[in-house]
Amino acid sequence: NAGVTQTPKFQVLKTGQSMTLQCAQDMNHNSMYWYRQDPGMGLRLIYYSASEGTTDKGEVPNGYNVSRLNKREFSLRLESAAPSQTSVYFCASIRGGQGAYEQYFGPGTRLTVT
Amino acid sequence: QQQVKQSPQSLIVQKGGISIINCAYENTAFDYFPWYQQFPGKGPALLIAIRPDVSEKKEGRFTISFNKSAKQFSLHIMDSQPGDSATYFCLLGYNKLIFGAGTRLAVHP
Repeated sequence: NAGVTQTPKFQVLKTGQSMTLQCAQDMNHNSMYWYRQDPGMGLRLIYYSASEGTTDKGEVPNGYNVSRLNKREFSLRLESAAPSQTSVYFCASIRGGQGAYEQYFGPGTRLTVT
Repeated sequence: QQQVKQSPQSLIVQKGGISIINCAYENTAFDYFPWYQQFPGKGPALLIAIRPDVSEKKEGRFTISFNKSAKQFSLHIMDSQPGDSATYFCLLGYNKLIFGAGTRLAVHP
């Protein structure tokens, strides 16, 4: 049981390049999330997926797209990377969206855009 | 847009002291109030949580208190230890889960 896995762990991009961050969970959770965390800051919600087949914008969705490929996988795409997107990206999942819940986090992807 | 206000932004406590972190919210429909702990280089992890049908929950040195009328819940760390030095976040929402801004706690020996 690996929990939540993210790939890659580190990435350096040049401005304008694109890339996809991958996230997978093996806990049969319904809801998945993408957050970004800037140095010394809190976590800001980019996009979330309450269930397979649905995605919704979070607090800071501009410049990103997501795909809920199946129940296990939720990817985050940067179409044209900008220096302002330099951050640590965390994927998380929970069993359901209401009631008692515990978010399980992946190890994070450290992205630098030069 | 739901509002989550966490305070203080940072906190310095001497070993053995009490650390208190607060989170205020606006949406009275929430029914689950968790605190997360994050160490440098790691993702957040659930520390303790409370439901609004109780006013206080204690787990070891960590206590969470809930004030429904004030729309606020607090984390108390008793006998704070250097190993408690971390960033603490409250988390609120239904489906769309939003973190508070975080409190960076430093416990000095």
